[in-house]
This record gives sequence, C-alpha cells and structure tokens, in this order.
Amino acid sequence: AQTVTQSQPEMSVQEAETVTLSCTYDTSESDYYLFWYKQPPSRQMILVIRQEAYKQQNATENRFSVNFQKAAKSFSLKISDSQLGDAAMYFCAYRIGGGADGLTFGKGTHLIIQP
Amino acid sequence: DTAVSQTPKYLVTQMGNDKSIKCEQNLGHDTMYWYKQDSKKFLKIMFSYNNKELIINETVPNRFSPKSPDKAHLNLHINSLELGDSAVYFCASSQALFALYGYTFGSGTRLTVV
Repeated sequence: AQTVTQSQPEMSVQEAETVTLSCTYDTSESDYYLFWYKQPPSRQMILVIRQEAYKQQNATENRFSVNFQKAAKSFSLKISDSQLGDAAMYFCAYRIGGGADGLTFGKGTHLIIQP
Repeated sequence: DTAVSQTPKYLVTQMGNDKSIKCEQNLGHDTMYWYKQDSKKFLKIMFSYNNKELIINETVPNRFSPKSPDKAHLNLHINSLELGDSAVYFCASSQALFALYGYTFGSGTRLTVV
C-alpha cells in the first residue's frame, strides 16, 4: 500500500520569509500524481499545487513551488514571501495514475505565520 | 455558486440515532467520494462512486451506507451512531475516475455524537 509521510507536525515562519514543508511517499508505481492541499481554519480543502510523476520540471503556482525528487520519493512544498493568509494545515497527497484508489493523504503540517 | 455543497455543516446528535449527510456537485464530474477526517486531522477515504456505481468501499462499519441517486449526488447515511463516529466528513468530486487534476472538496460536515 502507498503511504505518505509528513515528518513536521508543525512549522513556524516569519511573515515575508520562505518556508519548506516536507513530504515523502512510498510507492512501487511509476505513474502517479502528487498534490499539496491547504486547509485553513474555515475547514475548506483547497488544492495548492499538483505534480505529475512523469514530468521532471517542478510545478510552480505563484509563491508556491515544489521540489520533486522522484528517486528519493520526496515532494516538498516551498512557500515564498509567507503571508498571514498562508496559515493553515497543509496536506501532501498521492494518487496512482490510472487507478481508482483515491487520494492517500499524509498527516498534515500545521503552518504558523508569525507577524 | 458552490461547486460541491454539503448539508448540514454541523450535526450534533445522540448515540444510537440515525443521520444523513447530503452532498451535491454542480461541476458535471463523474466521480464522487466520502472522506473522514478524525480528531487528529487525518483524512481517509471511505467510499467512491463513479456514475452512480460503487468503486471504493474501504473498511468502514456497515452502519455507514452511501447512496448515489444520480452522478451529481452522493449521500451518506449512518445508522446507530457511536461516539467514535464524531469527525468531519468531506464530500469530494473529480472529473473522472482516473482524474488527473485532484479533487474538489465540499466544506465538510462536523458530526458530533454525544
């Protein structure tokens, strides 16, 4: 079974600084997709960024970027110029390509933004 | 114009009761899901339906029964509620079963069993 590990239960960063959230996963598949979701106190799950395993180029969405290391099975999220609105739980998720297994989530990292 | 809407947002009920949570999506997606988020924020899939057909049925007590009257709706009925059922339940949808673009989630239903 696939597993997703987020080793940082909580991270804190100063406003305007950069922070990196870690995620590793375990799979024997070669075709899969990785995601980062944000869950603010409102409880809504918001897709932040996605990465296809077959793409070598790291995905970027404005201030959010990933460092995808396929061989190391690592998928970290970098948030640049942190803003107060970035405070939330962040979940790393995996799903197999062409499979019906649904998303497998990590346990989440609680990100605190210090003003 | 909510894409995935769940009702109710909050549900407080006594042990032993039967309750339902409704979910509707207006995205034209084929696949819908129920996820459970426990008190430690861990999200785990419970069920998925594709065009009204049950695809995933994880190890969930049979007191939980999903029903999909059409592909835009996926409801969750829970019989004989127990204290351990207290959690946030999320409905989600994706374009297709083998969706490339992740899921769209509803805002969740916080169920509290007392």
